[in-house]
Amino acid sequence: GAVVSQHPSWVICKSGTSVKIECRSLDFQATTMFWYRQFPKQSLMLMATSNEGSKATYEQGVEKDKFLINHASLTLSTLTVTSAHPEDSSFYICSAYSPQASTDTQYFGPGTRLTVL
Amino acid sequence: AQSVTQLGSHVSVSEGALVLLRCNYSSSVPPYLFWYVQYPNQGLQLLLKYTTGATLVKGINGFEAEFKKSETSFHLTKPSAHMSDAAEYFCAVSAYSSASKIIFGSGTRLSIRP
Repeated sequence: GAVVSQHPSWVICKSGTSVKIECRSLDFQATTMFWYRQFPKQSLMLMATSNEGSKATYEQGVEKDKFLINHASLTLSTLTVTSAHPEDSSFYICSAYSPQASTDTQYFGPGTRLTVL
Repeated sequence: AQSVTQLGSHVSVSEGALVLLRCNYSSSVPPYLFWYVQYPNQGLQLLLKYTTGATLVKGINGFEAEFKKSETSFHLTKPSAHMSDAAEYFCAVSAYSSASKIIFGSGTRLSIRP
């Protein structure tokens, strides 16, 4: 089946620094990738949708200058949390979609836990 | 606009008992409906999905769900609970296709009593 990876799986950083999270589709080309965040014991909230080669579409309330999303290739999307603060600590999950993948569905990565000190 | 409501943030059943996790949705267009499972500190695993056609959908690990348009429901069931079923379960909806953004419910934590 289709596999999506995320790197790193866990990151700890100091307040004010920037952190980049990678999302890769390993065996298919993802025309669309989605980024979600999940606070402890809560549901997933969609942050943005990105299509390869175009600017990401952010959900209402998500700061696009703080959460930079790049989808430069059909297998890689990155989320950069700029000037991170403790309130940005969360579990970030990406998903990838391709109509050519084995089934017509989104595939989720394993998530990246960000802790900002 | 689309939304999902999961009834019960925590469900506890005995091992071997029926599992029933409730989900109601709202959608202005024909929905795609999903159930995902999440184990601690892990990503999401798709249990099953409904797109079109047969309203009873069978998924992995013995789970199934029935799409009832008249009740706007998509409840998840499993005849006999196993200890390994303990996890967080999310019902979700998207519009038109799997390429659309997915809206998640608040989640239901399933506990299994020995």
